[in-house]
Amino acid sequence: AQSVAQPEDQVNVAEGNPLTVKCTYSVSGNPYLFWYVQYPNRGLQFLLKYITGDNLVKGSYGFEAEFNKSQTSFHLKKPSALVSDSALYFCAVRDPGYRTALIFGKGTTLSVSS
Amino acid sequence: EAEVAQSPRYKITEKSQAVAFWCDPISGHATLYWYRQILGQGPELLVQFQDESVVDDSQLPKDRFSAERLKGVDSTLKIQPAELGDSAMYLCASSLARSSGSRSSYNEQFFGPGTRLTVL
Repeated sequence: AQSVAQPEDQVNVAEGNPLTVKCTYSVSGNPYLFWYVQYPNRGLQFLLKYITGDNLVKGSYGFEAEFNKSQTSFHLKKPSALVSDSALYFCAVRDPGYRTALIFGKGTTLSVSS
Repeated sequence: EAEVAQSPRYKITEKSQAVAFWCDPISGHATLYWYRQILGQGPELLVQFQDESVVDDSQLPKDRFSAERLKGVDSTLKIQPAELGDSAMYLCASSLARSSGSRSSYNEQFFGPGTRLTVL
């Protein structure tokens, strides 16, 4: 079965420092991977996706993610964190076959301190 | 910018009552999803529509939940009767995806603000 794991419940980083939010996946076949962000009492906002091609994917708000097939990882990164980046981040993989629904990790809370 | 609309934003009900949630996807989006997000967890699919047809409802508790998208546009999710364990955020999402074999099937999903349900 397809699944994603986010090993950290919370990541703390100081403003201006680089941030990484980790995600590993388990899929049969080619992985189609996504990152979403959720602010309190809001829906999820799309950040970026990996379908094929370059392993480094650039997305919204200065975020990027690195696809690593050998390590089955898709970590989210940003060179310089902002306080406004503080939110809940979800990694997701697309369901295979005729379904196109997303299978989400449990989420990682990012806290950026000033 | 086009958005997915959901109402109500918040709903408090007593167990055994009926509740209904409404979703209006982005215009032109063929596929509509209902997800349930329990506090501290990631969203999980309840039901997926392509146009007016159900693609997948394998995770929908059909003894109490029902969903419809009669004209292939907006959708309603109903719970009757509500139970304490149904307290969660109910998220609606839409995408251009029309079939799993097309390029559009890799399009991202756009989420609405959600309906937070509390069952007392």
